[in-house]
Amino acid sequence: EPEVTQTPSHQVTQMGQEVILRCVPISNHLYFYWYRQILGQKVEFLVSFYNNEISEKSEIFDDQFSVERPDGSNFTLKIRSTKLEDSAMYFCASRSGPPETQYFGPGTRLLVL
Amino acid sequence: AQSVTQLDSHVSVSEGTPVLLRCNYSSSYSPSLFWYVQHPNKGLQLLLKYTSAATLVKGINGFEAEFKKSETSFHLTKPSAHMSDAAEYFCVVSGANAGKSTFGDGTTLTVKP
Repeated sequence: EPEVTQTPSHQVTQMGQEVILRCVPISNHLYFYWYRQILGQKVEFLVSFYNNEISEKSEIFDDQFSVERPDGSNFTLKIRSTKLEDSAMYFCASRSGPPETQYFGPGTRLLVL
Repeated sequence: AQSVTQLDSHVSVSEGTPVLLRCNYSSSYSPSLFWYVQHPNKGLQLLLKYTSAATLVKGINGFEAEFKKSETSFHLTKPSAHMSDAAEYFCVVSGANAGKSTFGDGTTLTVKP
Protein backbone atom coordinates (compact mmCIF):
# COMPACT_ATOMS: atom_id res chain seq x y z
CA GLU A 1 0.00 0.00 0.00
CA PRO A 2 1.41 3.42 -0.89
CA GLU A 3 2.46 5.56 2.02
CA VAL A 4 3.83 8.98 2.83
CA THR A 5 7.46 8.92 3.90
CA GLN A 6 9.44 11.51 5.83
CA THR A 7 13.12 12.08 6.42
CA PRO A 8 14.86 12.35 8.76
CA SER A 9 12.95 10.59 11.52
CA HIS A 10 14.79 12.63 14.14
CA GLN A 11 16.79 15.85 13.89
CA VAL A 12 18.65 17.79 16.54
CA THR A 13 19.76 21.32 15.72
CA GLN A 14 21.07 24.41 17.40
CA MET A 15 18.89 27.47 17.83
CA GLY A 16 19.26 29.80 14.88
CA GLN A 17 20.17 27.07 12.42
CA GLU A 18 18.19 26.29 9.29
CA VAL A 19 16.50 22.92 8.96
CA ILE A 20 14.81 21.26 6.03
CA LEU A 21 12.28 18.51 6.66
CA ARG A 22 11.56 16.27 3.72
CA CYS A 23 8.46 14.39 2.69
CA VAL A 24 7.61 12.14 -0.22
CA PRO A 25 3.82 12.18 -0.66
CA ILE A 26 1.85 9.41 -2.31
CA SER A 27 2.55 9.62 -6.01
CA ASN A 28 -0.86 10.49 -7.47
CA HIS A 29 -1.81 12.92 -4.72
CA LEU A 30 -2.29 16.59 -5.49
CA TYR A 31 -2.74 18.24 -2.09
CA PHE A 32 0.04 18.43 0.46
CA TYR A 33 0.12 19.54 4.07
CA TRP A 34 2.39 20.10 7.02
CA TYR A 35 1.25 19.81 10.62
CA ARG A 36 3.13 19.96 13.88
CA GLN A 37 2.59 18.49 17.31
CA ILE A 38 4.38 19.99 20.27
CA LEU A 39 5.04 17.34 22.88
CA GLY A 40 1.88 16.55 24.83
CA GLN A 41 -0.31 18.82 22.73
CA LYS A 42 -2.67 18.36 19.82
CA VAL A 43 -1.76 18.31 16.17
CA GLU A 44 -1.85 21.79 14.60
CA PHE A 45 -2.20 22.71 10.95
CA LEU A 46 0.68 24.67 9.44
CA VAL A 47 0.17 24.92 5.71
CA SER A 48 -1.53 23.39 2.70
CA PHE A 49 -0.08 23.34 -0.81
CA TYR A 50 -1.79 22.72 -4.12
CA ASN A 51 -0.87 23.42 -7.73
CA ASN A 52 2.59 24.63 -6.71
CA GLU A 53 1.40 27.28 -4.34
CA ILE A 54 0.28 27.70 -0.76
CA SER A 55 -3.50 27.44 -0.54
CA GLU A 56 -3.82 28.10 3.17
CA LYS A 57 -1.54 28.74 6.11
CA SER A 58 -2.03 29.14 9.82
CA GLU A 59 -0.80 31.96 12.01
CA ILE A 60 2.00 29.65 13.15
CA PHE A 61 3.40 29.62 9.61
CA ASP A 62 5.28 32.90 9.75
CA ASP A 63 8.14 34.21 7.62
CA GLN A 64 10.54 31.72 9.19
CA PHE A 65 8.74 28.90 7.44
CA SER A 66 8.61 28.03 3.76
CA VAL A 67 7.48 25.07 1.69
CA GLU A 68 8.58 23.83 -1.66
CA ARG A 69 7.94 21.01 -4.07
CA PRO A 70 11.27 21.13 -5.87
CA ASP A 71 11.11 18.15 -8.15
CA GLY A 72 7.58 16.77 -8.43
CA SER A 73 8.12 14.12 -5.80
CA ASN A 74 9.53 15.73 -2.67
CA PHE A 75 7.67 18.24 -0.52
CA THR A 76 9.86 20.16 1.92
CA LEU A 77 9.37 22.36 4.95
CA LYS A 78 12.17 24.79 5.70
CA ILE A 79 12.61 26.62 8.97
CA ARG A 80 15.12 29.40 8.36
CA SER A 81 16.24 30.20 11.88
CA THR A 82 15.03 27.70 14.40
CA LYS A 83 13.78 28.68 17.84
CA LEU A 84 13.49 26.55 20.95
CA GLU A 85 9.71 26.57 20.56
CA ASP A 86 9.99 24.95 17.10
CA SER A 87 10.80 21.68 18.87
CA ALA A 88 7.97 19.38 17.88
CA MET A 89 6.93 16.43 15.78
CA TYR A 90 6.27 17.54 12.22
CA PHE A 91 3.86 15.52 10.11
CA CYS A 92 3.51 15.67 6.37
CA ALA A 93 0.24 14.59 4.78
CA SER A 94 -1.13 14.21 1.27
CA ARG A 95 -4.46 13.48 -0.36
CA SER A 96 -5.68 12.92 -3.88
CA GLY A 97 -8.43 15.49 -3.46
CA PRO A 98 -11.21 16.47 -1.11
CA PRO A 99 -13.09 14.74 0.45
CA GLU A 100 -10.59 11.91 0.32
CA THR A 101 -8.54 10.88 3.30
CA GLN A 102 -5.35 12.66 4.19
CA TYR A 103 -2.58 10.17 4.63
CA PHE A 104 -0.01 11.12 7.23
CA GLY A 105 3.66 10.34 7.25
CA PRO A 106 5.41 8.91 10.33
CA GLY A 107 6.69 12.33 11.37
CA THR A 108 10.03 14.02 11.96
CA ARG A 109 10.88 14.76 15.55
CA LEU A 110 12.76 18.06 15.67
CA LEU A 111 14.66 19.10 18.77
CA VAL A 112 16.09 22.61 18.93
CA LEU A 113 18.76 23.16 21.55
CA ALA B 1 -14.85 27.36 9.69
CA GLN B 2 -14.52 24.00 11.35
CA SER B 3 -13.77 22.77 14.83
CA VAL B 4 -13.68 19.60 16.86
CA THR B 5 -14.36 19.05 20.54
CA GLN B 6 -13.31 15.83 22.20
CA LEU B 7 -15.40 15.76 25.32
CA ASP B 8 -13.06 13.67 27.48
CA SER B 9 -9.35 14.29 27.85
CA HIS B 10 -8.87 10.94 29.63
CA VAL B 11 -10.90 7.73 29.55
CA SER B 12 -10.06 4.71 31.66
CA VAL B 13 -11.67 1.31 31.11
CA SER B 14 -11.01 -2.24 32.20
CA GLU B 15 -9.87 -4.80 29.66
CA GLY B 16 -12.87 -6.49 28.07
CA THR B 17 -15.29 -3.63 28.75
CA PRO B 18 -16.73 -1.24 26.16
CA VAL B 19 -14.95 1.89 25.02
CA LEU B 20 -16.68 5.19 24.21
CA LEU B 21 -14.68 8.21 23.08
CA ARG B 22 -16.83 11.24 22.39
CA CYS B 23 -16.39 13.79 19.64
CA ASN B 24 -18.51 16.74 18.54
CA TYR B 25 -17.75 18.74 15.44
CA SER B 26 -18.65 21.97 13.75
CA SER B 27 -18.27 22.58 10.05
CA SER B 28 -19.59 25.01 7.46
CA TYR B 29 -19.41 22.29 4.85
CA SER B 30 -20.48 18.68 4.68
CA PRO B 31 -17.59 17.35 6.70
CA SER B 32 -15.36 14.40 6.35
CA LEU B 33 -14.62 12.98 9.79
CA PHE B 34 -11.83 10.73 10.93
CA TRP B 35 -10.48 9.02 13.98
CA TYR B 36 -6.72 8.54 14.30
CA VAL B 37 -4.79 6.69 16.97
CA GLN B 38 -1.31 7.57 18.15
CA HIS B 39 0.74 5.20 20.27
CA PRO B 40 3.57 6.70 22.34
CA ASN B 41 6.34 8.14 20.17
CA LYS B 42 4.62 6.89 17.04
CA GLY B 43 2.89 8.47 14.07
CA LEU B 44 -0.81 8.79 13.30
CA GLN B 45 -2.72 5.70 12.26
CA LEU B 46 -6.12 6.02 10.59
CA LEU B 47 -8.78 4.04 12.46
CA LEU B 48 -11.80 4.94 10.36
CA LYS B 49 -13.39 7.65 8.28
CA TYR B 50 -16.78 9.08 7.38
CA THR B 51 -17.11 10.75 3.99
CA SER B 52 -20.90 11.02 3.44
CA ALA B 53 -21.63 7.38 2.78
CA ALA B 54 -22.99 5.06 5.50
CA THR B 55 -23.42 6.79 8.83
CA LEU B 56 -22.14 3.79 10.79
CA VAL B 57 -18.52 3.35 9.94
CA LYS B 58 -16.43 0.32 10.78
CA GLY B 59 -12.71 0.65 11.19
CA ILE B 60 -9.70 -1.39 12.10
CA ASN B 61 -9.19 -3.33 15.33
CA GLY B 62 -12.91 -3.58 16.06
CA PHE B 63 -13.55 0.15 16.33
CA GLU B 64 -16.59 1.82 14.85
CA ALA B 65 -18.16 5.26 14.86
CA GLU B 66 -21.56 6.67 14.07
CA PHE B 67 -22.07 9.96 12.32
CA LYS B 68 -25.09 11.80 13.76
CA LYS B 69 -25.75 15.00 11.90
CA SER B 70 -28.58 16.10 14.21
CA GLU B 71 -26.23 15.88 17.19
CA THR B 72 -23.08 16.93 15.26
CA SER B 73 -21.35 13.97 16.84
CA PHE B 74 -18.98 11.26 15.72
CA HIS B 75 -18.35 9.10 18.77
CA LEU B 76 -15.89 6.21 18.63
CA THR B 77 -16.80 2.88 20.19
CA LYS B 78 -15.41 -0.58 20.67
CA PRO B 79 -17.32 -3.42 22.33
CA SER B 80 -14.38 -4.86 24.23
CA ALA B 81 -11.16 -3.05 25.10
CA HIS B 82 -7.79 -4.69 24.73
CA MET B 83 -4.60 -3.69 26.49
CA SER B 84 -3.09 -2.75 23.13
CA ASP B 85 -5.80 -0.11 22.66
CA ALA B 86 -4.13 2.13 25.23
CA ALA B 87 -3.10 5.20 23.23
CA GLU B 88 -4.03 8.76 22.31
CA TYR B 89 -7.05 9.13 20.04
CA PHE B 90 -7.74 12.12 17.84
CA CYS B 91 -11.02 13.08 16.22
CA VAL B 92 -10.43 15.06 13.03
CA VAL B 93 -12.67 17.08 10.75
CA SER B 94 -11.72 17.97 7.21
CA GLY B 95 -13.53 20.42 5.01
CA ALA B 96 -14.00 21.19 1.39
CA ASN B 97 -11.54 22.67 -1.12
CA ALA B 98 -7.94 22.52 0.06
CA GLY B 99 -9.34 20.66 3.01
CA LYS B 100 -7.01 21.15 5.92
CA SER B 101 -7.63 18.84 8.84
CA THR B 102 -8.57 20.21 12.23
CA PHE B 103 -7.69 17.98 15.15
CA GLY B 104 -9.38 17.68 18.49
CA ASP B 105 -7.31 17.95 21.65
CA GLY B 106 -7.10 14.19 21.92
CA THR B 107 -8.36 11.59 24.39
CA THR B 108 -5.95 9.42 26.30
CA LEU B 109 -7.34 5.92 26.65
CA THR B 110 -6.04 3.84 29.52
CA VAL B 111 -6.90 0.15 29.69
CA LYS B 112 -6.62 -1.52 33.08
CA PRO B 113 -5.98 -5.25 33.38
